[in-house]
Amino acid sequence: DAGITQSPRHKVTETGTPVTLRCHQTENHRYMYWYRQDPGHGLRLIHYSYGVKDTDKGEVSDGYSVSRSKTEDFLLTLESATSSQTSVYFCAISESMWSAGGTDTQYFGPGTRLTVL
Amino acid sequence: AQTVTQSQPEMSVQEAETVTLSCTYDTSESDYYLFWYKQPPSRQMILVIRQEAYKQQNATENRFSVNFQKAAKSFSLKISDSQLGDAAMYFCAYRRNSGGSNYKLTFGKGTLLTVNP
Repeated sequence: DAGITQSPRHKVTETGTPVTLRCHQTENHRYMYWYRQDPGHGLRLIHYSYGVKDTDKGEVSDGYSVSRSKTEDFLLTLESATSSQTSVYFCAISESMWSAGGTDTQYFGPGTRLTVL
Repeated sequence: AQTVTQSQPEMSVQEAETVTLSCTYDTSESDYYLFWYKQPPSRQMILVIRQEAYKQQNATENRFSVNFQKAAKSFSLKISDSQLGDAAMYFCAYRRNSGGSNYKLTFGKGTLLTVNP
């Protein structure tokens, strides 16, 4: 299994509060991703990173920001949490974006269940 | 935009039997990858199998194999000799591999597989 951890694993918070989720990898992979999983939607990409301090938006980025100051850590921040952000959040990593023996395959962390009341 | 459709929200199979999960996708690209991920009750997303679109040979991984029909844009997963541990939600996913924002995985909504003893 790829060395990916997420913290916290569960969090309950109130509307309007800031929340930060952390993804940590020990694989030294360049690319990291944040997805959210909601019933009836599968997984959807929030933000991704292609290197330290290099990030870009995914398809559902509104209300989220990210930071990557070290290769191994990718943080997802909900600036002012809303009930619509109640979800399960997954971090993923990949060695590259281009296929080279499957190195573009994305491997997922264990997920964080976030509840916004 | 690419879309991935899993038409079977739920499937069931008897232990030791074979089951096939369906997936269709829509794309105008010719170079892409397809994946099946498994999500057991632990919530962990686990890569089951991967298929490169340019390869005519269907991918296999032990008891798991795919039927990739590029012209029909179909990518079904066959699980042989089903085991209780195969019970999970299965997601089909698509990823382009030709320039631009080719990082994104597009997921189907999933098929919940139950294995009966």
